[in-house]
Amino acid sequence: ILNVEQSPQSLHVQEGDSTNFTCSFPSSNFYALHWYRWETAKSPEALFVMTLNGDEKKKGRISATLNTKEGYSYLYIKGSQPEDSATYLCAFQSGANNLFFGTGTRLTVIP
Amino acid sequence: GAVVSQHPSWVICKSGTSVKIECRSLDFQATTMFWYRQFPKQSLMLMATSNEGSKATYEQGVEKDKFLINHASLTLSTLTVTSAHPEDSSFYICSARDPPGSRLSDTQYFGPGTRLTVL
Repeated sequence: ILNVEQSPQSLHVQEGDSTNFTCSFPSSNFYALHWYRWETAKSPEALFVMTLNGDEKKKGRISATLNTKEGYSYLYIKGSQPEDSATYLCAFQSGANNLFFGTGTRLTVIP
Repeated sequence: GAVVSQHPSWVICKSGTSVKIECRSLDFQATTMFWYRQFPKQSLMLMATSNEGSKATYEQGVEKDKFLINHASLTLSTLTVTSAHPEDSSFYICSARDPPGSRLSDTQYFGPGTRLTVL
């Protein structure tokens, strides 16, 4: 079992604030790093798949960076909105199949 | 596109009974599907990898005779929890991956999950 850690575990931000969270993963045997957004009672939604060190990806107000050498990825949300409230999961992929998930960061955006 | 459904969304059963959970890829063919479970305050943990037309590959510590997986078509995989006990109560969630070679081949698309409660 690989150790994937996410921090913080939860956070509350005011609408309009920008925020970021961290995903730490093993720096060896890296294949890909996945970010998902998971709203209650819905399916986890794939946000990004990142494969290259130094990668930066963006989707609307959400962006992510990747550092495979030191084993971390940051997810940024600019100008948070109440609809951004969800649990954000990262998953480390070391081969063709298995994803090793963190426990997630639960974000609550207060109107 | 890339929608995965799961049924049922929740189930309550008596100890000793069997429960079947279905996972379907609605708009794509999935040669590989995955079954995860999540206990409270823990992360999603892979239970098994299901390949269409062949036997599933189980992760260490997951009993293959207790968690029966069938992947008989490119759009359907089922997980049957046999002789369920209270310790099997958990959140079970499946995912499906597009066939290798496509642009989406590394993305797993998840169903909404099934909450199993065994009394």
